[in-house]
Amino acid sequence: ELKVEQNPLFLSMQEGKNYTIYCNYSTTSDRLYWYRQDPGKSLESLFVLLSNGAVKQEGRLMASLDTKARLSTLHITAAVHDLSATYFCAGSRLTFGEGTQLTVNP
Amino acid sequence: KAGVTQTPRYLIKTRGQQVTLSCSPISGHRSVSWYQQTPGQGLQFLFEYFSETQRNKGNFPGRFSGRQFSNSRSEMNVSTLELGDSALYLCASSLSNYNEQFFGPGTRLTVL
Repeated sequence: ELKVEQNPLFLSMQEGKNYTIYCNYSTTSDRLYWYRQDPGKSLESLFVLLSNGAVKQEGRLMASLDTKARLSTLHITAAVHDLSATYFCAGSRLTFGEGTQLTVNP
Repeated sequence: KAGVTQTPRYLIKTRGQQVTLSCSPISGHRSVSWYQQTPGQGLQFLFEYFSETQRNKGNFPGRFSGRQFSNSRSEMNVSTLELGDSALYLCASSLSNYNEQFFGPGTRLTVL
């Protein structure tokens, strides 16, 4: 059974700083997904990582996948307040991590 | 292209009642999945349907059931509601089992 763990679960950071969210999964997964959820809203798809070494970037967010280490990272560069949200990774389409609640302070 | 729609958006029920939630996927999408989201348990998978067939089922009691119609629309039913069933129920659709999922706005169910 696939298990997905994220850390940290809570992240408070200042605008302009960089940080990384980690997503570990327990068994082989052929793809990894990242989603964003704003308070009271649904999930928005951010990235789909399909293979080992895959890297995708959108604005200040960059996601990568290392299937050998069973690890995906979501790197935030020069954070802005608009990035405040909860970020989920999913090791398969059906198994989600606990979510990382990100707060970016001015 | 219209997104995933869910009805109703909000629902209040009392213990012991039953409820039916509806999900209309993006046009052309044949896979529909349902999730329950609560503050304590996070996002938990309920069911996945593809072409009217249930492909996967999560670890929920038999009070939770679902189905998919020939037009890919899906419904989930919860019978004998319990207080703990209060949650945001999310539906997601995709082209197939392996494609990116697109989520609907959710149905917020409150059980009193």
